[in-house]
Amino acid sequence: AQKITQTQPGMFVQEKEAVTLDCTYDTSDPSYGLFWYKQPSSGEMIFLIYQGSYDQQNATEGRYSLNFQKARKSANLVISASQLGDSAMYFCAMSYDNYGQNFVFGPGTRLSVLP
Amino acid sequence: DVKVTQSSRYLVKRTGEKVFLECVQDMDHENMFWYRQDPGLGLRLIYFSYDVKMKEKGDIPEGYSVSREKKERFSLILESASTNQTSMYLCASSGATGGLHEQYFGPGTRLTVT
Repeated sequence: AQKITQTQPGMFVQEKEAVTLDCTYDTSDPSYGLFWYKQPSSGEMIFLIYQGSYDQQNATEGRYSLNFQKARKSANLVISASQLGDSAMYFCAMSYDNYGQNFVFGPGTRLSVLP
Repeated sequence: DVKVTQSSRYLVKRTGEKVFLECVQDMDHENMFWYRQDPGLGLRLIYFSYDVKMKEKGDIPEGYSVSREKKERFSLILESASTNQTSMYLCASSGATGGLHEQYFGPGTRLTVT
């Protein structure tokens, strides 16, 4: 069965430093998509970044980059130059069909950025 | 920009009441989802719909039903609310075209059943 693991329940980072949030996944499907979402205390889930299983390059979106290691089945999120507003829950997720109907989320990592 | 709206941000209901949570999306997405989110349990899928009048059970459908009469609207119904249904409810939508399939979420409804 498809599964997402995030082993860090909580992380702290100093403002302006980089931080890596871990995500490993388990699937036997050759085609899948990996996503990261941010959930601030307001509750809304905000899409951050996407990596397709066939993408050769690691995805980047502004200060966010996804370190995709397919053989190790890992999709870590790297946030560069952390800001206080980055304090939130971060969820790794995977889509494993061609219709966007099958989606699984990890348990999340709470990131706290220290001034 | 994709917009997913939910009818209420906060809701307080009594045990036994029938509760309707409404979700509307404006991107003509085929797929719509209802999740509940509880501390330590992450997001759990209640139901999803891939077309008008079509629905599929998720991981925790017991005590819930859904309705999708129009493509843009997906309703979650608690037939007889119970205290263990106190939770954060998140609606999401996604499109079947484009290959990306990211889910766009609404702001969530914090439901308290007393």
